[in-house]
Amino acid sequence: EAQVTQNPRYLITVTGKKLTVTCSQNMNHEYMSWYRQDPGLGLRQIYYSMNVEVTDKGDVPEGYKVSRKEKRNFPLILESPSPNQTSLYFCASSLHSGRISGANVLTFGAGSRLTVL
Amino acid sequence: AQTVTQSQPEMSVQEAETVTLSCTYDTSESDYYLFWYKQPPSRQMILVIRQEAYKQQNATENRFSVNFQKAAKSFSLKISDSQLGDAAMYFCAYRRSSNYKLTFGKGTLLTVNP
Repeated sequence: EAQVTQNPRYLITVTGKKLTVTCSQNMNHEYMSWYRQDPGLGLRQIYYSMNVEVTDKGDVPEGYKVSRKEKRNFPLILESPSPNQTSLYFCASSLHSGRISGANVLTFGAGSRLTVL
Repeated sequence: AQTVTQSQPEMSVQEAETVTLSCTYDTSESDYYLFWYKQPPSRQMILVIRQEAYKQQNATENRFSVNFQKAAKSFSLKISDSQLGDAAMYFCAYRRSSNYKLTFGKGTLLTVNP
């Protein structure tokens, strides 16, 4: 089944304890992205990647890092989590065959609920 | 910067009735895409319908249709014959033609009453 898989789905952690949320897709998609969802704010893009070793900041990148060493994986790293990073996180991916296509839509993962105490 | 506004934080509809969710957006682009996503309690983001700005014809997917008014920058979603399974948070989203980034509205929580 074509999907985007995120882990963990739920995590409670403490301030300053480094954590990584993994994202993996099995659709051979070039484009991958992370969003966070907060009540009353909708979803906002954190980082994105157009292909392996190519990443760039979205609208709210502060406090996050990403890497894209393999095409299928795009982990989100919180080096020193803070309570304001408590949120619902989504990974998403899309086919990108060398040019932006309107036919390509994002496939979302199931979300990861992160709580930072 | 592009913005997407959903002016209705919450809406309710009776089962089998029709409901319209509003969305307006602001952009200086002429080529873009618009989407409605559904987020049920499972939190999964499900694409409901999408519209290409260059198409004048309004998109339709079964019971879901849009009213796309490009000049007014309005993109409303109409759900006909509402079902209990339609209850969810609905997000309107905008995407420029030159990238894949989605700009979301704040969402409208739809309740369907039996």
